[in-house]
Amino acid sequence: QQQVKQSPQSLIVQKGGISIINCAYENTAFDYFPWYQQFPGKGPALLIAIRPDVSEKKEGRFTISFNKSAKQFSLHIMDSQPGDSATYFCAGRPLYKLSFGAGTTVTVRA
Amino acid sequence: GAVVSQHPSRVICKSGTSVKIECRSLDFQATTMFWYRQFPKQSLMLMATSNEGSKATYEQGVEKDKFLINHASLTLSTLTVTSAHPEDSSFYICSASIRAYEQYFGPGTRLTVT
Repeated sequence: QQQVKQSPQSLIVQKGGISIINCAYENTAFDYFPWYQQFPGKGPALLIAIRPDVSEKKEGRFTISFNKSAKQFSLHIMDSQPGDSATYFCAGRPLYKLSFGAGTTVTVRA
Repeated sequence: GAVVSQHPSRVICKSGTSVKIECRSLDFQATTMFWYRQFPKQSLMLMATSNEGSKATYEQGVEKDKFLINHASLTLSTLTVTSAHPEDSSFYICSASIRAYEQYFGPGTRLTVT
């Protein structure tokens, strides 16, 4: 049973558009919420992460929005580029053990 | 910094044989290492957690006698798939952590059992 629910399963966006991926969690003990980017045949790489005492974090074109009361968080990819085409995983953890969402495959069309 | 390597990147073995996968933290000492498996188009599933010098903690449903994990040093953990069968074919990914903080993932090992 996945502790982090992620949607959509896949999305297609035009170059320059905004990609939005949503995640929801149940475990209120989660204290750290990272997002990972994974290219085919490669391991996941940390993209950006947030703690629940912050409502938003921005790094370049990537922004996490966090709603603690709703137990939801989302990743916004601004000005999407073809090189952003990958699978994105949200995750949450209490202490050290990560629980991953199911993943979202993002395709950016040129 | 925080580079994790895995060896081999791909391995093909015959059914019934054993395969060892190495995970190394190249530029830091990892207090904890994790092993995941990932089936095509699926998420990462944690198999086990290991701390240097102690026995690994396996997730529910993971056979510890089949997936042997050794964490002999702060920079090396190994996963041995014993008596491999075709259903063990998967993408195995390790990660390493400093004081249970960030997890840094390796590039993965594609195991194919014929």
